[in-house]
Amino acid sequence: DAKTTQPPSMDCAEGRAANLPCNHSTISGNEYVYWYRQIHSQGPQYIIHGLKNNETNEMASLIITEDRKSSTLILPHATLRDTAVYYCIVRPRNMYSGGGADGLTFGKGTHLIIQP
Amino acid sequence: KAGVTQTPRYLIKTRGQQVTLSCSPISGHRSVSWYQQTPGQGLQFLFEYFSETQRNKGNFPGRFSGRQFSNSRSEMNVSTLELGDSALYLCASRRSGSSYNEQFFGPGTRLTVL
Repeated sequence: DAKTTQPPSMDCAEGRAANLPCNHSTISGNEYVYWYRQIHSQGPQYIIHGLKNNETNEMASLIITEDRKSSTLILPHATLRDTAVYYCIVRPRNMYSGGGADGLTFGKGTHLIIQP
Repeated sequence: KAGVTQTPRYLIKTRGQQVTLSCSPISGHRSVSWYQQTPGQGLQFLFEYFSETQRNKGNFPGRFSGRQFSNSRSEMNVSTLELGDSALYLCASRRSGSSYNEQFFGPGTRLTVL
């Protein structure tokens, strides 16, 4: 799986858009970009994923650059409940966990703190 | 629709004991995966079950085992507990036909081994 780089922490004012960057310069053609978040003391939560087109759902928008080497997760109107660690991962769109020691792996992620 | 539920939420055991954790996936989800999460090692894959069969297993010793029932509920067992087994154990499920990468996680079971 391609390696990702995220800033360790970010602040954002409540009500403003939170823009979380992720670099994945070694991404392969068959790898998707996935975003998860983990609120303190809870399990990870799937947010959104994309291949090369911009994607939007009820939680967030995902902007992927044309060369696919970086992406930005956008929370349009951040609330205090959005304070969490956000993980960007790139993986092929496996239908199964894969052979051997596999499964999802997260890096350090970005600790997003929403300020009141 | 109810999310993934895990019981118990918190557990304290002593070294050498064994423990069984339970997971109920989202209704209709047949794939269940288990993960261990620690501050030092991060998220580590334990195993995945689908239709009562273990589909894949991570790099954990044989003390870690699991099973899945016909209603898709799953249990994992850790025997001869060690201090290093203290962790958050997460269960995740996904819809049939969806990518493995689109998992719905439960709140986890916080296991403390004394």
